[in-house]
Amino acid sequence: GNSVTQMEGPVTLSEEAFLTINCTYTATGYPSLFWYVQYPGEGLQLLLKATKADDKGSNKGFEATYRKETTSFHLEKGSVQVSDSAVYFCALRYNTDKLIFGTGTRLQVFP
Amino acid sequence: DSGVTQTPKHLITATGQRVTLRCSPRSGDLSVYWYQQSLDQGLQFLIQYYNGEERAKGNILERFSAQQFPDLHSELNLSSLELGDSALYFCASSVVGLAEETQYFGPGTRLLVL
Repeated sequence: GNSVTQMEGPVTLSEEAFLTINCTYTATGYPSLFWYVQYPGEGLQLLLKATKADDKGSNKGFEATYRKETTSFHLEKGSVQVSDSAVYFCALRYNTDKLIFGTGTRLQVFP
Repeated sequence: DSGVTQTPKHLITATGQRVTLRCSPRSGDLSVYWYQQSLDQGLQFLIQYYNGEERAKGNILERFSAQQFPDLHSELNLSSLELGDSALYFCASSVVGLAEETQYFGPGTRLLVL
């Protein structure tokens, strides 16, 4: 079946460091891929998405490229800020099936 | 603010009881989804409605049920509550429910079963 695997956290970084959070997926066909972010005490917010192979989603300095050949959708940011501290969820959706989430990766950024 | 509202924000109840969680989707969105977030199970899809009709079912227990009303708001009913039902319950909405659509999440209802 369809599934998402994320790197385990927490990821601890200093401000202005480079961030990568790995996400790989297993799916039949070509799903749409998403990154959601959950700030402490809040609901999930869409960070970025890509709906077909080689698409790059980007928002607020974050980027992720839909790689069909490696079935990956890694999240990157060139320079993290303390305000980026949150839990990040990779997710996929195939056709009108359910949104499937990874386990989430907690990011902690220190000044 | 996603435009999705959920009430109540917090709910504390006892085992065996029944509760109702309410969700109002974004204006214009026809599709509503319910998710459960717990420490041991992560984020799990429960059920989806589209324009009043059930469209997809996930890992929803038989003790749980949901419906979407003509004004498009939705309610999730949890009955015969157990300690393990303690979790954060999210509602999300999207326009019609296509795979590539963004789902907008509400702030969640935190349920504590004692």
